[in-house]
Amino acid sequence: AQTVTQSQPEMSVQEAETVTLSCTYDTSENNYYLFWYKQPPSRQMILVIRQEAYKQQNATENRFSVNFQKAAKSFSLKISDSQLGDTAMYFCAFILTGGGNKLTFGTGTQLKVEL
Amino acid sequence: NAGVMQNPRHLVRRRGQEARLRCSPMKGHSHVYWYRQLPEEGLKFMVYLQKENIIDESGMPKERFSAEFPKEGPSILRIQQVVRGDSAAYFCASSRPGRAYEQYFGPGTRLTVT
Repeated sequence: AQTVTQSQPEMSVQEAETVTLSCTYDTSENNYYLFWYKQPPSRQMILVIRQEAYKQQNATENRFSVNFQKAAKSFSLKISDSQLGDTAMYFCAFILTGGGNKLTFGTGTQLKVEL
Repeated sequence: NAGVMQNPRHLVRRRGQEARLRCSPMKGHSHVYWYRQLPEEGLKFMVYLQKENIIDESGMPKERFSAEFPKEGPSILRIQQVVRGDSAAYFCASSRPGRAYEQYFGPGTRLTVT
């Protein structure tokens, strides 16, 4: 079974600063996707970024980037130039390719961006 | 192009009543996934359906919970004889066939059992 671990229940960062959220996962499979989702107070699940395991290049989306270390099974999210609107719960998630159909989520990191 | 729609957004039920949660997938999506988020927790997979078929229900509680996705109409998650522990946010996601890695989420239904 696959597991996803987020060891930081809460984090805070000053506006305009950079913050990194950690995620580790465990799987014996080789082909999968990893995701970071953002859940603001509205509770809508918003996809922030996606990484395909077979791609060595780290995914980036504007101010969001990941550090994907496949051998270490680590998938951290870096948010640059933090904005107040980044305040949310962030979930790391995993899905197998080739027949996998269920996303496995971590327990989340509550990020607060402060003035 | 409408996204995934869920209704109601909020549902209050007394213990012992039935709860019916609806999910309309995005246009062109024939696969639906239900997830449950208990307070202070991440989302947990419940069930995966295609039109008229349950493909994977490994995350569904064995009793009181059922799901369907008929040929016409929305997917329904049904909870019979609700208990306080069923209070949670229930999310639906949809995808195109073979693209489970591109699941789009609805806004969720917040179920409160009093």
